[in-house]
Amino acid sequence: GDSVTQMEGPVTLSEEAFLTINCTYTATGYPSLFWYVQYPGEGLQLLLKATKADDKGSNKGFEATYRKETTSFHLEKGSVQVSDSAVYFCALSVGYGGSQGNLIFGKGTKLSVKP
Amino acid sequence: DAGVTQSPTHLIKTRGQQVTLRCSPKSGHDTVSWYQQALGQGPQFIFQYYEEEERQRGNFPDRFSGHQFPNYSSELNVNALLLGDSALYLCASSFRDQPQHFGDGTRLSIL
Repeated sequence: GDSVTQMEGPVTLSEEAFLTINCTYTATGYPSLFWYVQYPGEGLQLLLKATKADDKGSNKGFEATYRKETTSFHLEKGSVQVSDSAVYFCALSVGYGGSQGNLIFGKGTKLSVKP
Repeated sequence: DAGVTQSPTHLIKTRGQQVTLRCSPKSGHDTVSWYQQALGQGPQFIFQYYEEEERQRGNFPDRFSGHQFPNYSSELNVNALLLGDSALYLCASSFRDQPQHFGDGTRLSIL
């Protein structure tokens, strides 16, 4: 079945360091790919998305490129801030009836950024 | 513009009891999905409602049931609660092929 595998944390970085969180997927159809972020005590917020191969999603300095040949969607940011500390989830969805089908999530990667 | 709202925020129940969680979707959204997030894990899909019908269902037992009302709001019902049902329950809403927006969840604790 469809699945998402992402690097397990926790990941601890110093402020202004470069961030990479790896994510690979398995899907039978043509999935859309997402990164969601969860701050303590809150629900999930959509960070960025890509709907087809070679698309690049970007938001708030974060980027991820949909790589069909390597079935990957790695999250990157050039310079992290303390406020980026959160849990990051990679997810996929295969369309259903013209709508977005159910999301399949990875286990999450906890990021801590130290001043 | 209100986002997805869930109630209650926290809930404590005992084994064997029944619980109902509520969700109001973001304005303009007509599809509601429910997820269970165990501590330290990613959310797991329970089911999705569209036009008041269950459209998709994940690998959850029949103890988990739901409903969608004409105003698109939704309820999640869990019967015969088990200790393993303790989790954060997340509601997400969407419209057509747009990304799902999540509420802050209901934290359910089973004693």
